[in-house]
Amino acid sequence: SQQGEEDPQALSIQEGENATMNCSYKTSINNLQWYRQNSGRGLVHLILIRSNEREKHSGRLRVTLDTSKKSSSLLITASRAADTASYFCATFKAGAGSYQLTFGKGTKLSVIP
Amino acid sequence: IAGITQAPTSQILAAGRRMTLRCTQDMRHNAMYWYRQDLGLGLRLIHYSNTAGTTGKGEVPDGYSVSRANTDDFPLTLASAVPSQTSVYFCASSVEVRWFFGPGTRLTVL
Repeated sequence: SQQGEEDPQALSIQEGENATMNCSYKTSINNLQWYRQNSGRGLVHLILIRSNEREKHSGRLRVTLDTSKKSSSLLITASRAADTASYFCATFKAGAGSYQLTFGKGTKLSVIP
Repeated sequence: IAGITQAPTSQILAAGRRMTLRCTQDMRHNAMYWYRQDLGLGLRLIHYSNTAGTTGKGEVPDGYSVSRANTDDFPLTLASAVPSQTSVYFCASSVEVRWFFGPGTRLTVL
């Protein structure tokens, strides 16, 4: 079953505005990752935050992680039309002899020029 | 560097037919995965392989089989396709904690 659940399912904003997407998960994790998917394409890794980190930045991306609430947020600042895509959170858990990455259902972001 | 390639790009298949989706990576990653993506359900893991010669079942393995004869190739076979297997299939590989995805195969089973 899905580990992560994104919220909202869809988000439409004007170019230049900030976009915030949230992710909740159920069990303990080693890290949480965010991926982007352009329509009809494969997923591309954006950013990873480890379970002992609370905030991480990469360019216009800011990710927070609250392990006590089992939640994360992805903030895209000064959005551009090219940011239009689906965004997925994925939880990483190292198990006995294997590593698993479990994806949420995604947030579809539309940035209107 | 190609990364991960998948073939075919898309396929329409009659129910009951056998189909193999191909996946090849040139990054020498040990771990590889097959996911299916369905509208409203996100990506679900079908099968995985931690290293050549080993495979394991994911969340939705029924109706699918995989093999891992070498590091580079990880084919996914549908022995007898059914309409519920209509989906977009993504192959992925990983190194440490980062995943890399192929472009996907869009499969329609009629």
